[in-house]
Amino acid sequence: DAGITQSPRHKVTETGTPVTLRCHQTENHRYMYWYRQDPGHGLRLIHYSYGVKDTDKGEVSDGYSVSRSKTEDFLLTLESATSSQTSVYFCAISELGQEAFFGQGTRLTVV
Amino acid sequence: GDSVTQMEGPVTLSEEAFLTINCTYTATGYPSLFWYVQYPGEGLQLLLKATKADDKGSNKGFEATYRKETTSFHLEKGSVQVSDSAVYFCALRTASGGSYIPTFGRGTSLIVHP
Repeated sequence: DAGITQSPRHKVTETGTPVTLRCHQTENHRYMYWYRQDPGHGLRLIHYSYGVKDTDKGEVSDGYSVSRSKTEDFLLTLESATSSQTSVYFCAISELGQEAFFGQGTRLTVV
Repeated sequence: GDSVTQMEGPVTLSEEAFLTINCTYTATGYPSLFWYVQYPGEGLQLLLKATKADDKGSNKGFEATYRKETTSFHLEKGSVQVSDSAVYFCALRTASGGSYIPTFGRGTSLIVHP
């Protein structure tokens, strides 16, 4: 299995609080992605990174920010969590010409 | 932009039945195509892939052929088992401005009864 670790695996937080999810890889892959998975919507891209400090927005980036200060870590931050951000979040990594590998997911509940 | 459309589920089958899950795509350029499988409580795992037209990807009895003329990548299995019950995602990847961004369909849930 590809070395991808997401933390935390589960989190319950209150509306309006900041939340940071972490994705850590040991594969030295260039590309890292954050997706959210919701019933009826499949996987939707939030943000992605194509190198250290190089990031860009996906289709559902509003309310989210990311940072990648080193190759192995890609952080997703919800500056002020809302109930609509209750979801399962997946991190994925890939390298040029290869398929994406996924983490186990983080289940976030905003109450 | 790029998109993937797959049949809605759930697909409910009896064990040993034949499985087809349809997938069509829209993409610029020449995408690579993938099927992923997700078991309950887990992340997505690559099931099979094809990188150019007429390629056939196969794994664990599942097959899919890259059909450029019909922009399709249908997943098939001749005899499903209860253990195949999962959600299946069709996906493509193209290079956009130098970045490789996977795009996923909405997923198709498969339920196999004994």
